[in-house]
Amino acid sequence: NAGVTQTPKFRILKIGQSMTLQCTQDMNHNYMYWYRQDPGMGLKLIYYSVGAGITDKGEVPNGYNVSRSTTEDFPLRLELAAPSQTSVYFCASSSTRGSSYNEQFFGPGTRLTVL
Amino acid sequence: GENVEQHPSTLSVQEGDSAVIKCTYSDSASNYFPWYKQELGKRPQLIIDIRSNVGEKKDQRIAVTLNKTAKHFSLHITETQPEDSAVYFCPLAGGYNKLIFGAGTRLAVHP
Repeated sequence: NAGVTQTPKFRILKIGQSMTLQCTQDMNHNYMYWYRQDPGMGLKLIYYSVGAGITDKGEVPNGYNVSRSTTEDFPLRLELAAPSQTSVYFCASSSTRGSSYNEQFFGPGTRLTVL
Repeated sequence: GENVEQHPSTLSVQEGDSAVIKCTYSDSASNYFPWYKQELGKRPQLIIDIRSNVGEKKDQRIAVTLNKTAKHFSLHITETQPEDSAVYFCPLAGGYNKLIFGAGTRLAVHP
């Protein structure tokens, strides 16, 4: 299994541009998440999804949108990039098997700079 | 609201020493306590977790202890090695496996 994969690895955007960060997992996990991590800080939950067609806001959703049309893919959309969105973005997934809590598996991250 | 406080924010030890990181939580309903390790420039990875019906769990050089009465749990690393240098997080676990992260503890192990 490749686990959780993210593209691109790096991106530089100009203010006002749009882009989509891609996330794919091949573990058949129902739950998927998007986080951002600013330098020296912990991760902040942006959006999450509990299955295809179902998404919900996390701690810091403003300026982002998501969709979940398949179990495997959970893209994150930035519509009007702002310097405050400069960060490292991590996608993660987790299983719903067994107990009520399960490990989250993270992708390698996308480093985004908005200038 | 629900939160987790983690101490210390930075920790510096000599190789071979032990390291202890403590987290205190406020929600009595919490019953799952994970620890994630993030090496510089890498993704977070689960290293150990404990559920509320267990007081201690060990995996080689790492162990986690849980005190539900005092609402705190701790990560213990023995015989530290340079590769243990990383940021360690004890996120609050919520519904749908959501994780709420604090700022973490930056551990430096000096040879």
